[in-house]
Amino acid sequence: DIVMTQSPDSLAVSLGERAIINCKSSQSILNNSNNKNYLAWYQQKPGQPPKLLIYWTSTRESGVPDRFTGSGSGTDFTLSISSLQAEDVASYYCQQYYTHPLTFGGGTKVEIK
Amino acid sequence: QVQLQESGPGLVKPSQTLSLTCTVSGGSISSSDYYWTWIRQPPGKGLEWIGYIYYTGSDYYNPSLKSRLIISIDTSKNQFSLRLSSVTAADTAVYYCARSRARCLDTWGQGTLVTVSS
Repeated sequence: DIVMTQSPDSLAVSLGERAIINCKSSQSILNNSNNKNYLAWYQQKPGQPPKLLIYWTSTRESGVPDRFTGSGSGTDFTLSISSLQAEDVASYYCQQYYTHPLTFGGGTKVEIK
Repeated sequence: QVQLQESGPGLVKPSQTLSLTCTVSGGSISSSDYYWTWIRQPPGKGLEWIGYIYYTGSDYYNPSLKSRLIISIDTSKNQFSLRLSSVTAADTAVYYCARSRARCLDTWGQGTLVTVSS
């Protein structure tokens, strides 16, 4: 199985500041034939199901604000929230879909400082 | 807009079988564009992909659960189901059904908590 490791486990950021979440895969999730990294990001607010934010590493799902940006390649990936808003308080999970079984990172909890 | 809703018992005894159904509304489960997926989340913990099924019945299971797991689909009812046998306390979790688009989970049900306890 591909192990997805997120860091940090939690972070506190002031409103309007940038939040950065890291995700590392235990092996490359880059498909050289199409040059795509099979990496998605989800946001989960308390008591709610996860919501797809980003897929193919950097493509925002419809309706996702452009303050959310995904980047990276190979084994190292980042989710950046450029200007943290109160409604961004949530846990964030990365997921690889390069191979079965699909696996998730352990999550990063984002709070307001 | 497609919606998914999980249903089933909230309490299951150890060694018994956990059974859940996901009802899809606002769209056809027979669409060739999607796989229909189960995921679970133990209380206070992260997400675990359980497996998925295609409208043709083709499926893929997490190897860690495969020996105890059956996922089935009923296109006439627009539903798909999960059966997990020989459950233990470690199977206590919120179980989500979701729609998978190119293996990304783009639509989720609200989830249902299943507790394994005598």
